[in-house]
Amino acid sequence: EDKVVQSPLSLVVHEGDTVTLNCSYEVTNFRSLLWYKQEKKAPTFLFMLTSSGIEKKSGRLSSILDKKELFSILNITATQTGDSAVYLCAVSGKWAGKSTFGDGTTLTVKP
Amino acid sequence: EAGVAQSPRYKIIEKRQSVAFWCNPISGHATLYWYQQILGQGPKLLIQFQNNGVVDDSQLPKDRFSAERLKGVDSTLKIQPAKLEDSAVYLCASSWVGEAHEQFFGPGTRLTVL
Repeated sequence: EDKVVQSPLSLVVHEGDTVTLNCSYEVTNFRSLLWYKQEKKAPTFLFMLTSSGIEKKSGRLSSILDKKELFSILNITATQTGDSAVYLCAVSGKWAGKSTFGDGTTLTVKP
Repeated sequence: EAGVAQSPRYKIIEKRQSVAFWCNPISGHATLYWYQQILGQGPKLLIQFQNNGVVDDSQLPKDRFSAERLKGVDSTLKIQPAKLEDSAVYLCASSWVGEAHEQFFGPGTRLTVL
């Protein structure tokens, strides 16, 4: 059974701090790892990673995958209060479309 | 591009009652997913359709949950009879078919079973 574990479960920081969120996984026939941001609504897509060592970057957010050690990290630099959300990691395995989600990391950014 | 539509947004029912949720995916997305998200947890896949065929329903409690996707477009998820532990947000998502693609989520239906 595919498994995704995210850490920490929650994190409280102040504006301007840098945070690193972790995602480790076990999946049959790995296809991709995806990061989503969930505010009080539905998850919205951030990144999709398929190859080890290639950093994906969007503004202050970046992510990288290590397929040998089976983990990914999501970095957020110069955090803002608008970054407060649950960050979800999902892996796509045996079936290209099927995703198994972790329970998320709740990030709170204080002014 | 219109997003994934879901209705209703909220539903309160008593245990043992029935409830149905509707989802209309993004036009052209052949793959449709229903997830259950319990407070404090990540989304759990209930069922995945590709066009109108079921790809995966291994985590769907088939004694009480059913889903269909007639004509390969919109979909309904039904719970009959509901239990207290079914209280959750039910998310519908869609994606392109083929190698891994990101999923686009609808706003969800928050179900409360009393």
